[in-house]
Amino acid sequence: QQPVQSPQAVILREGEDAVINCSSSKALYSVHWYRQKHGEAPIFLMILLKGGEQKGHDKISASFNEKKQQSSLYLTASQLSYSGTYFCGSMNSGYSTLTFGKGTMLLVSP
Amino acid sequence: SAVISQKPSRDICQRGTSLTIQCQVDSQVTMMFWYRQQPGQSLTLIATANQGSEATYESGFVIDKFPISRPNLTFSTLTVSNMSPEDSSIYLCSVDMGPNGYTFGSGTRLTVV
Repeated sequence: QQPVQSPQAVILREGEDAVINCSSSKALYSVHWYRQKHGEAPIFLMILLKGGEQKGHDKISASFNEKKQQSSLYLTASQLSYSGTYFCGSMNSGYSTLTFGKGTMLLVSP
Repeated sequence: SAVISQKPSRDICQRGTSLTIQCQVDSQVTMMFWYRQQPGQSLTLIATANQGSEATYESGFVIDKFPISRPNLTFSTLTVSNMSPEDSSIYLCSVDMGPNGYTFGSGTRLTVV
């Protein structure tokens, strides 16, 4: 079951904040977040395994609400380098494969 | 995390022919995954390749069209057979690095003419 991402696209000025949401109609075992720049492979950002877990590094963090079956990615004080397409990936069990959402295109302008 | 070498990086092929894509991982991994990504779209899983057993294909993908080999724990190939323009896409292999997420090869951009 493909997770649903929102919004589809975000345009920001440098220094602004953004939130990208990922929700599933099925119970979630884990949520992954990736960023992909044009012409490149996706790069892993973080994985969230437990309900209510929050993780982050630098100015990018994420939360996972197991009860609501959703995760959110928070980008604060955005930088030009944050531009790209962000994908969430969901696993419904420890043995399932990773299914990606449709992606959120983020453009940060000077 | 692992490093994956994927070849070729791009190719232009005639319809009706086949192309084999190779992925070499710098460490031993149990499962390798093959994804397809059409321009501007999400990543769709084609199949999971385990060493020593047949690959497991996702709905909509069949072995005759996408045969996969997994001769050892560091290598896998995906063949796109009897190609048509609808097969034009980016094909990516990946491995699951547990808490370090999935690592992807650099991708193969295939154009079928």
